[in-house]
Amino acid sequence: AQSVSQHNHHVILSEAASLELGCNYSYGGTVNLFWYVQYPGQHLQLLLKYFSGDPLVKGIKGFEAEFIKSKFSFNLRKPSVQWSDTAEYFCAVSLSGAGSYQLTFGKGTKLSVIP
Amino acid sequence: DVKVTQSSRYLVKRTGEKVFLECVQDMDHENMFWYRQDPGLGLRLIYFSYDVKMKEKGDIPEGYSVSREKKERFSLILESASTNQTSMYLCASTNHGGASYEQYFGPGTRLTVT
Repeated sequence: AQSVSQHNHHVILSEAASLELGCNYSYGGTVNLFWYVQYPGQHLQLLLKYFSGDPLVKGIKGFEAEFIKSKFSFNLRKPSVQWSDTAEYFCAVSLSGAGSYQLTFGKGTKLSVIP
Repeated sequence: DVKVTQSSRYLVKRTGEKVFLECVQDMDHENMFWYRQDPGLGLRLIYFSYDVKMKEKGDIPEGYSVSREKKERFSLILESASTNQTSMYLCASTNHGGASYEQYFGPGTRLTVT
């Protein structure tokens, strides 16, 4: 079964700092990759996703992620964070192919941005 | 705009009670999912369903069952609630096929079992 590792449990940054959240997965086949965000008191929503093509994907609110197949990684980045980015971020993977709808999530990374 | 709704935001039940958590989606999605979310553990899949009356166990099905009698509705049942089932429960849905396998989530039900 596939698994997802998120390296940091809690990250604290000042506004305008750059962000990189690590995500590694363990599966040798073709995968679909996702980053979800959960703002305080709100439901999970999709930040960005990768299925195929350009390994650098751009999402909402200035976030981007790069898929590096050789490293089994899908790290999330933002050049300059804002206080409103305070949230919990989840990396997730699904197997590519028909009938592969099940997502496996990482344990999440809490981001706290200090004004 | 996809909408996934859950019957309650907060629920308090006693040990041994039978608990029903309801989820409804309005986008005619075939697939529906129940997760529990615990601090430091992320989201763990309890059960999912890819069609009416169909169900599949996820990673942590013990102590839970599900029901899907209509396409839009997916219920999670705790036959005899226990304190270790105190958690946030999230429902999600997604459609078959196409390029998008994005799951759409409901707001969650925070269940406390005392």
